[in-house]
Amino acid sequence: DAGITQSPRHKVTETGTPVTLRCHQTENHRYMYWYRQDPGHGLRLIHYSYGVKDTDKGEVSDGYSVSRSKTEDFLLTLESATSSQTSVYFCAISDYRGAYEQYFGPGTRLTVT
Amino acid sequence: KQEVTQIPAALSVPEGENLVLNCSFTDSAIYNLQWFRQDPGKGLTSLLLIQSSQREQTSGRLNASLDKSSGRSTLYIAASQPGDSATYLCAVLNSGGGADGLTFGKGTHLIIQP
Repeated sequence: DAGITQSPRHKVTETGTPVTLRCHQTENHRYMYWYRQDPGHGLRLIHYSYGVKDTDKGEVSDGYSVSRSKTEDFLLTLESATSSQTSVYFCAISDYRGAYEQYFGPGTRLTVT
Repeated sequence: KQEVTQIPAALSVPEGENLVLNCSFTDSAIYNLQWFRQDPGKGLTSLLLIQSSQREQTSGRLNASLDKSSGRSTLYIAASQPGDSATYLCAVLNSGGGADGLTFGKGTHLIIQP
């Protein structure tokens, strides 16, 4: 299995509070991604990174920000959590050396009450 | 905008049958296509990657084909087993390559009856 960990694995928080999810990789892959998975919508891209300090928006980026200060870490922040952000969040990594095959972390289940 | 559709949404078959899962995509300008497996409450496991220049890939009892011009891929599972029960997801990477995320279908929920 690709060396990808996500923390926390489960979190319950209240509406309006800030939340930061962490993705850590040990594969030295250049590209990192955050997706959310919701019933009826499937998996959708939130943000991605193509290098340290290089990030861009995905399909559903409103209400989220990201940062990548080291190759191995990609942080997803919900500045002020809302109930619509209750979801399962997955981190993924890829690299040109693997023909951009994406490997996924175990996920974080976030509940906003 | 790329859209990925998977048919059927759910499938239940007896153990031992061979089966085919279908995936279609609207924009043929893809870099590659991946098939994933997801068990309930778990992450995604990559099963097969087909690059745009390839026609098929095989891994054990799994065979995936790609017809880029018609926007279709199939995942063939031979001699199905109860342990194959899971949700199977198809995803495409657009031709921008690694800088883009995957576009996913909504999956086929597969149940193999013992």
